[in-house]
Amino acid sequence: EIVLTQSPGTLSLSPGERATLSCRASQSVSTSDLAWYQQKPGQPPRPLIYGASSRATGIPDRFSGSGSGTDFTLTISRLEPEDFAVYYCRHYGSSSLTFGGGTKVEI
Amino acid sequence: EVQLVESGGGLVQPGGSLRLSCAASGFIFSRNWMHWVRQVPGKGLVWVSRIDGEGTGTAYADSVKGRFTISRDNAKNTLYLQMNSLRAEDTGIYYCARDIRYSGHPTFDPWGQGTLVTVSS
Repeated sequence: EIVLTQSPGTLSLSPGERATLSCRASQSVSTSDLAWYQQKPGQPPRPLIYGASSRATGIPDRFSGSGSGTDFTLTISRLEPEDFAVYYCRHYGSSSLTFGGGTKVEI
Repeated sequence: EVQLVESGGGLVQPGGSLRLSCAASGFIFSRNWMHWVRQVPGKGLVWVSRIDGEGTGTAYADSVKGRFTISRDNAKNTLYLQMNSLRAEDTGIYYCARDIRYSGHPTFDPWGQGTLVTVSS
């Protein structure tokens, strides 16, 4: 089973700053199978990035995903107040799926 | 509008059973694989199970294998999760999610609002 390790656990930033979130896989994974989700308090997760670098419908271009192999990154170029949330990476395997532990982006 | 609505959660004693439902609308239900994902409030996401469009192919997390059964009724546009031999560690919010491929890349979109399961004596 692939283990995803996200870092940092918490990122304390201000609106307008750049956020860089890391997701490291325990072994090499296909970029096709790596996605990112955003979750705000009291809400279900919503898709941000699929295929490691493609934005989901309605996601603003300040969000970008990159990476390959075992190292993936979610970047928020300029934080808006509504971006303060928890972010999860997810690997989609053939017989099981795993989520990273999450990174909380807080003010 | 594509929508998923879970129901069936509640308080159950250890060793007990519960069946969750997820009613789907706004899309052709039988064309999509579906998943269940659990989250302890304030904690991370844990994948539980998935089922293919026809209901013939399933997969489970090791922690629930042999105790939980995922199924679907495509005529009723409904996904189910039968949970037996429940343990305290099964406690959490259970979300159903649609498995959809954008340019061939899998993602979960949308997610339901979730239903809370509490296993406690």
